[in-house]
Amino acid sequence: KQEVTQIPAALSVPEGENLVLNCSFTDSAIYNLQWFRQDPGKGLTSLLLIQSSQREQTSGRLNASLDKSSGRSTLYIAASQPGDSATYLCAVRGDGGTASKLTFGTGTRLQVTL
Amino acid sequence: NAGVTQTPKFRVLKTGQSMTLLCAQDMNHEYMYWYRQDPGMGLRLIHYSVGEGTTAKGEVPDGYNVSRLKKQNFLLGLESAAPSQTSVYFCASNLAGVYNEQFFGPGTRLTVL
Repeated sequence: KQEVTQIPAALSVPEGENLVLNCSFTDSAIYNLQWFRQDPGKGLTSLLLIQSSQREQTSGRLNASLDKSSGRSTLYIAASQPGDSATYLCAVRGDGGTASKLTFGTGTRLQVTL
Repeated sequence: NAGVTQTPKFRVLKTGQSMTLLCAQDMNHEYMYWYRQDPGMGLRLIHYSVGEGTTAKGEVPDGYNVSRLKKQNFLLGLESAAPSQTSVYFCASNLAGVYNEQFFGPGTRLTVL
């Protein structure tokens, strides 16, 4: 059974700092990995989708990398801003079984302080 | 283009009552999903559908039923609500296939007393 872990569970950084969020998964047989952002009381906003054949994806100040063989992904946020404060979730889409299923981590709650 | 919408946004039920949550998407997506989100447990898949008229069980299907009569709508039903079903429910959708980005609705917060 696929398990997704995100460490740390919470992180507080001062504005302007570059930071890295980590995601690990136990079964490397995946189609892709998706990073989401969730603001309190809101839905999930998709940030980046990395296919299993890709090593990284970039969108603005965000860069996500994927090392499928080691079961790891990182989300790099450059020059953090208070507006980046949210919970960041990673999810992997499994290869086999319920093939359409996303398995989620429990998230990293990020606070960017002034 | 509204994306994925959910109604209602909030609901309080008494144990044993029934209700239906409605999810609608205007992106012509074939695949639709219902998840629940509970503190410390992440999002878990309840049921999903890969096309109009089809449904399948996810990770935690007990106590829920679904229907996909129209491509754009996916309904989640609770026949006899229990306190354990207190949760935030999210609907999601994506184009057919496993390589496509999944999009989420804003969620329904359900409390069962």
